[in-house]
Amino acid sequence: GQNIDQPTEMTATEGAIVQINCTYQTSGFNGLFWYQQHAGEAPTFLSYNVLDGLEEKGRFSSFLSRSKGYSYLLLKELQMKDSASYLCAVRDLQGDKIIFGKGTRLHILP
Amino acid sequence: DTGVSQDPRHKITKRGQNVTFRCDPISEHNRLYWYRQTLGQGPEFLTYFQNEAQLEKSRLLSDRFSAERPKGSFSTLEIQRTEQGDSAMYLCASSPGRAGDSGANVLTFGAGSRLTVL
Repeated sequence: GQNIDQPTEMTATEGAIVQINCTYQTSGFNGLFWYQQHAGEAPTFLSYNVLDGLEEKGRFSSFLSRSKGYSYLLLKELQMKDSASYLCAVRDLQGDKIIFGKGTRLHILP
Repeated sequence: DTGVSQDPRHKITKRGQNVTFRCDPISEHNRLYWYRQTLGQGPEFLTYFQNEAQLEKSRLLSDRFSAERPKGSFSTLEIQRTEQGDSAMYLCASSPGRAGDSGANVLTFGAGSRLTVL
């Protein structure tokens, strides 16, 4: 079976840094994605990790530890437009099925 | 390329009716996915295709749900005898998914088809 856990909601202040954690238990693993979804819109791709370590892309970074079944998304210099849901998703080892967590709703306060 | 297109964007139907959604993926993408999303939840996997072959269908799906991708291009998702619990956003996504591709195969989502069952 597959299980992906992330906090339901988080709140942070504009200009600050926030870390959104994701833990997963899957029968196979072939990569982890982070997507951003604004209310009423489709998810959009943020990052992809398949090897352990940190991937940095501008204000956003994503970390993976395969041995711990753990990832986090780090958002720096928060802006109001970063208010959205952040979805952690894992790709199965066999085939290319991609399973999403329930998402973390991030609220940014001025 | 205009991205992933879904039609209709909104559908209101009465319980017991059949509905069909269409998805046109990015033209060079081989893989096509269907997800269902309800308010406050992440996308729930329904099924996916490699070209015209349906590779997997979620065990959570009842037999009322069927999907096709007859020519390996557009796909349809049909729900028969709709129930109020089927009310959700139905998302389609596509990815390159070329054989032997070890890359990310990032999903690109369409805007979704919102279903309301009265």
